[in-house]
Amino acid sequence: EAAVTQSPRNKVAVTGGKVTLSCNQTNNHNNMYWYRQDTGHGLRLIHYSYGAGSTEKGDIPDGYKASRPSQENFSLILELATPSQTSVYFCASGGRDRGTEVFFGKGTRLTVV
Amino acid sequence: GDSVTQTEGPVTVSESESLIINCTYSATSIAYPNLFWYVRYPGEGLQLLLKVITAGQKGSSRGFEATYNKETTSFHLQKASVQESDSAVYYCALGEAGNTGKLIFGLGTTLQVQP
Repeated sequence: EAAVTQSPRNKVAVTGGKVTLSCNQTNNHNNMYWYRQDTGHGLRLIHYSYGAGSTEKGDIPDGYKASRPSQENFSLILELATPSQTSVYFCASGGRDRGTEVFFGKGTRLTVV
Repeated sequence: GDSVTQTEGPVTVSESESLIINCTYSATSIAYPNLFWYVRYPGEGLQLLLKVITAGQKGSSRGFEATYNKETTSFHLQKASVQESDSAVYYCALGEAGNTGKLIFGLGTTLQVQP
């Protein structure tokens, strides 16, 4: 069964600190994504990747970096966390065919204090 | 830009009643968007409920159905008789054509089914 695993599931970070959210997929999908979900905004795309070594900016990339060191792993990095980055973050993976299903992890709740 | 608008929640219905969650889209940069309904149960990630990639077609799953209407730019989710286990957050999404797989989501509609 297709699986996307995020870690940690919950994180409390200090303003100005560095935060790394990790994502692993066992689906052998080329594409991976990071979204954040906030009340009143739905899910918004932060960064995505077409494969190992590739990262692309999504709709709201400011304040975030991404890293795709391998097919399976995709990280989201907050170099200097701010309270406005308090949110629920979802990682996802998907194939390249038209209309392909995108599989989501269970989410990471990040609180920046 | 491209966007999705769906019924504002929460929506509360009684078990065995019918349900409709409205979804309309604007796809200014995509000629033939793919349309999806995702569902998020408590404590879980989003999972695909149904998808339709061809205008005029209907998708169905677990008793839910939605028809891709290009004329009205709508993709409403319907179910004839809901169950308490259907309580969840439902997201309508618009997908880009091609191989990016990027999705544009509506705000989500929380459905509460009362026994």
